[in-house]
Amino acid sequence: KQEVTQIPAALSVPEGENLVLNCSFTDSAIYNLQWFRQDPGKGLTSLLLIQSSQREQTSGRLNASLDKSSGRSTLYIAASQPGDSATYLCAVEGYSTLTFGKGTMLLVSP
Amino acid sequence: SAVISQKPSRDICQRGTSLTIQCQVDSQVTMMFWYRQQPGQSLTLIATANQGSEATYESGFVIDKFPISRPNLTFSTLTVSNMSPEDSSIYLCSVGGTGGGGYTFGSGTRLTVV
Repeated sequence: KQEVTQIPAALSVPEGENLVLNCSFTDSAIYNLQWFRQDPGKGLTSLLLIQSSQREQTSGRLNASLDKSSGRSTLYIAASQPGDSATYLCAVEGYSTLTFGKGTMLLVSP
Repeated sequence: SAVISQKPSRDICQRGTSLTIQCQVDSQVTMMFWYRQQPGQSLTLIATANQGSEATYESGFVIDKFPISRPNLTFSTLTVSNMSPEDSSIYLCSVGGTGGGGYTFGSGTRLTVV
């Protein structure tokens, strides 16, 4: 059974810092890995999708990498802003399953 | 990617009552997924809804408690029946998982049972 772990569980940084969120998974037989953002009480917004054959994806200030063989992904956020404050979820897609980590709660203070 | 309209966005309900959550997708999709997110927890899959067949429920979820309808390829409903305070959660619908395009989620329904 796939297990997804996200570290740290919570992170508080001042505005402008670069930061890294970590995601690890136990079964490397995956199709895709997807990073989501969730604001309090809301749904999920897809940030980046990395297919199993890819190493990284970039969108604006966000960069996600995938090392399938070691079961790891990182989400890099450059020049953090207060508007980045949210919970970030990592989800791994296996055969007809999508497994989520518990998320990293990020707070960026002005 | 698909756009999902989910409603209601939030509701406060009395115990013993039922609430129906609706999701409308802007394109035809084969499978729709329903998730529950309990306070402070990650997402748990409730069931997968295919058009024209019974929904497939995950372990720990039963049809009597969470009946699902899927009348066509763009619409689905999830009903939370005979609610108790333990049902207070965010409920989300999702589509995707085919063609390598990832998953899209609705905006969520925040349910509080009092």
